[in-house]
Amino acid sequence: DVKVTQSSRYLVKRTGEKVFLECVQDMDHENMFWYRQDPGLGLRLIYFSYDVKMKEKGDIPEGYSVSREKKERFSLILESASTNQTSMYLCASSLGSRQETQYFGPGTRLLVL
Amino acid sequence: GESVGLHLPTLSVQEGDNSIINCAYSNSASDYFIWYKQESGKGPQFIIDIRSNMDKRQGQRVTVLLNKTVKHLSLQIAATQPGDSAVYFCAENTASGGSYIPTFGRGTSLIVHP
Repeated sequence: DVKVTQSSRYLVKRTGEKVFLECVQDMDHENMFWYRQDPGLGLRLIYFSYDVKMKEKGDIPEGYSVSREKKERFSLILESASTNQTSMYLCASSLGSRQETQYFGPGTRLLVL
Repeated sequence: GESVGLHLPTLSVQEGDNSIINCAYSNSASDYFIWYKQESGKGPQFIIDIRSNMDKRQGQRVTVLLNKTVKHLSLQIAATQPGDSAVYFCAENTASGGSYIPTFGRGTSLIVHP
């Protein structure tokens, strides 16, 4: 089974702090994604990556950056956390090559005070 | 079905009934569609998919119907069980280069009463 893990289930940070959310997948997937999920708004794509050291902006990249130094790891960075970034963050991976079923991690619930 | 706004559409059914969850997608160029189920405290999980060259696909107790004319997707769950209670998302995928860019719907909450 594909396993996607996220470094924390719950995180509390203060406004202005730098926040790192880590995601690791163990199935050699090409594609990795970061979403945020807010009540009534569904999943919104922040950034995605098709390959190592490659990144593409999603629908809501402002205030975020990402890093993919290794194929299995995709990190989401909040350079200076703000209260409107309080949300559930979901990481996903997919095989690529038009095999686009996404496998999701359990999510990180981030609270910014 | 799915709609704009902060309140999640909710479908309440009795155990054993059939459930139908609807989704309107926006991009006529989308050619691959997936339904996901998200249980409380978990990430979404794949249920069933369909490509645009099909109008119906069946799985175990689930059927997805695709109407490209009106850009509408539905998920039918037969003999709904309490374990089916979850939020269901549709995702439309549009080809971009060698892969797909997904866009998720806002979700529908299914509540199954024993």
